[in-house]
Amino acid sequence: DAGVTQSPTHLIKTRGQQVTLRCSPKSGHDTVSWYQQALGQGPQFIFQYYEEEERQRGNFPDRFSGHQFPNYSSELNVNALLLGDSALYLCASSLPGTGTETQYFGPGTRLLVL
Amino acid sequence: RKEVEQDPGPFNVPEGATVAFNCTYSNSASQSFFWYRQDCRKEPKLLMSVYSSGNEDGRFTAQLNRASQYISLLIRDSKLSDSATYLCVVIRSASKIIFGSGTRLSIRP
Repeated sequence: DAGVTQSPTHLIKTRGQQVTLRCSPKSGHDTVSWYQQALGQGPQFIFQYYEEEERQRGNFPDRFSGHQFPNYSSELNVNALLLGDSALYLCASSLPGTGTETQYFGPGTRLLVL
Repeated sequence: RKEVEQDPGPFNVPEGATVAFNCTYSNSASQSFFWYRQDCRKEPKLLMSVYSSGNEDGRFTAQLNRASQYISLLIRDSKLSDSATYLCVVIRSASKIIFGSGTRLSIRP
């Protein structure tokens, strides 16, 4: 049983560009959450998707958007990249109806903005 | 002031020692509490949930003190493999999921 997978593993972009990160949840999970983890910090909640809709959102600007597909996989899009967007982006999936406490994290995508 | 605060460490203790660290939170409306473990350059993994009545899992004990607004993690008979960063998580609502910055623990032989 594959766990949460994310692609790509690493990415280098320049300021002003746009990026799309991808996540496939653990089998049987229907809820996907995205987090940003800067170096030396804990993950910060970006948003959560359920039934192809953004259900909850943290304190991130509209440059951060997402999508969930019918197969529960998800994308995170970041427009107009800033140097400060350099971070590890983590995707987490959870079981139906159990909320955030049973989250399983993927290995993350390391984004470097130059 | 951050809503969730942890001592960043590093805590450097010998193998076999007992080590404890706390995580304080500022919002009394916080509902759920967890400890996660994150190894270097890896993703966080759920270690255990935290309840007022305490929660024990082998060598690990977690406790919640609502009156003083902190959670704690105690590790007994520490192993080299316990070396990691320990993140506390406080959930106030479905959209208020707050991770602490983590406490680094290093176990030496």
